[in-house]
Amino acid sequence: AQTVTQSQPEMSVQEAETVTLSCTYDTSESDYYLFWYKQPPSRQMILVIRQEAYKQQNATENRFSVNFQKAAKSFSLKISDSQLGDAAMYFCAYRTSPLNAGNNRKLIWGLGTSLAVNP
Amino acid sequence: NAGVTQTPKFQVLKTGQSMTLQCAQDMNHEYMSWYRQDPGMGLRLIHYSVGAGITDQGEVPNGYNVSRSTTEDFPLRLLSAAPSQTSVYFCASLPTRTAAGYTFGSGTRLTVV
Repeated sequence: AQTVTQSQPEMSVQEAETVTLSCTYDTSESDYYLFWYKQPPSRQMILVIRQEAYKQQNATENRFSVNFQKAAKSFSLKISDSQLGDAAMYFCAYRTSPLNAGNNRKLIWGLGTSLAVNP
Repeated sequence: NAGVTQTPKFQVLKTGQSMTLQCAQDMNHEYMSWYRQDPGMGLRLIHYSVGAGITDQGEVPNGYNVSRSTTEDFPLRLLSAAPSQTSVYFCASLPTRTAAGYTFGSGTRLTVV
């Protein structure tokens, strides 16, 4: 069974600085998807960035980028130029590709990292 | 585009009461699912559906029923509420055969007393 581990329950960063959130996962599959979700105090779950395992190039979305190390099963999130609005819980999640999953599109979640942004 | 609309946002139930959490999406997504979020346990899948008339159980289905009569709607029914069902519930949808991420509803905070 696949597992996702976020080893940093809490982190903090100064406004305008860069922070990296860690995520490791365990799987025997070769094709899968990885995601980072943001959950602010409003409770809304917001997709930040996604990575397809077969793509070697790291995904980037504006100030958010990932460092995807497939062999090491590592998927870290880098937030550049941190802003006060980045303060939230960040969840790393894994999903099997449709070719292997059948009907199940279940996301497997880490327990989250609470990010504080200090002004 | 409203995305995924989930109601109510908050609910307090007494033990033994029943209720339905509503979920509707307007994106024509085939796949819909319900998760519950509990502190220290992350999000866990309750039930899911790959299309109208097709539903299946997730990790924690006991105490919950679902149905999918239309592509748009996927209600979650609590049959006889228990304090262990106190949680935050999320409905989420996904177009199948895609690498896209889920679109989530805004969540329902349910307290069972």
